[in-house]
Amino acid sequence: NAGVMQNPRHLVRRRGQEARLRCSPMKGHSHVYWYRQLPEEGLKFMVYLQKENIIDESGMPKERFSAEFPKEGPSILRIQQVVRGDSAAYFCASSPPTGIKDTQYFGPGTRLTVL
Amino acid sequence: DAKTTQPTSMDCAEGRAANLPCNHSTISGNEYVYWYRQIHSQGPQYIIHGLKNNETNEMASLIITEDRKSSTLILPHATLRDTAVYYCIVRASSGAGSYQLTFGKGTKLSVIP
Repeated sequence: NAGVMQNPRHLVRRRGQEARLRCSPMKGHSHVYWYRQLPEEGLKFMVYLQKENIIDESGMPKERFSAEFPKEGPSILRIQQVVRGDSAAYFCASSPPTGIKDTQYFGPGTRLTVL
Repeated sequence: DAKTTQPTSMDCAEGRAANLPCNHSTISGNEYVYWYRQIHSQGPQYIIHGLKNNETNEMASLIITEDRKSSTLILPHATLRDTAVYYCIVRASSGAGSYQLTFGKGTKLSVIP
C-alpha cells in the first residue's frame, strides 16, 4: 500500500517564479492537508481540502498561495511570485473519510529553495 | 485545541525503554492525544493516539493518566533509529479546526549506543 507521495522532493526557484508542489494521497484517502515547516520551526497548518472543495484555508498566506484538489489527479499547492521567505519544507498529509479517527499520514515533503 | 508541554530534549540508552512525557492540563473531554515523530527532515510519522484508555501498537505504548492531564509515550526497546523529534498533539475529534494538527517544539530524543 503506497504511502502519500509528493513531488518534486526538491525544488529550486528564483525570486518571482512560480512553484507547483504535487501531492498524491494514500489509496482510499479523500482528504488532503498541507503544512509548511520553516527552518528550525515546527509544522504549521496551511489548508485542508477534499475532492474539488477547499474546506479550510485559514493557514494560507493571503496572497500568492493557492491550493486545489481536482476530481482527478493530485492535489496542487501553487505559490506565485516566490520570495526568499517561501523557502521551507512543504508537507502533505492525507486521511480517510472516516470521521473521528481520521489519522493523518504524511508524505516525505517538498523542500523549496528560493534563490 | 489544548496546549501541550514537553521537555526540550531527552537521552536514552540503546535497548532501554524511552519514556516521553507530555502535559496537557487543559485538555477537553472530546480531545484525543496524538503522538508523531519526525526523523531528521523526513515527513512526520504517526505513532499512536488515544482518548482515555491506554493504547499499544507495534511501535509504542501510550499511557494516559486518569484525569487525562498528562500522558507518556513509551518506546519499549529504543534503537538508534528512534532518534527523532517527538510531538505530542491534542486534537478535538470533531468541530471547527479539529482536523488541524498543531505541532509544538516537541522533544528531541537521542538514543545513545
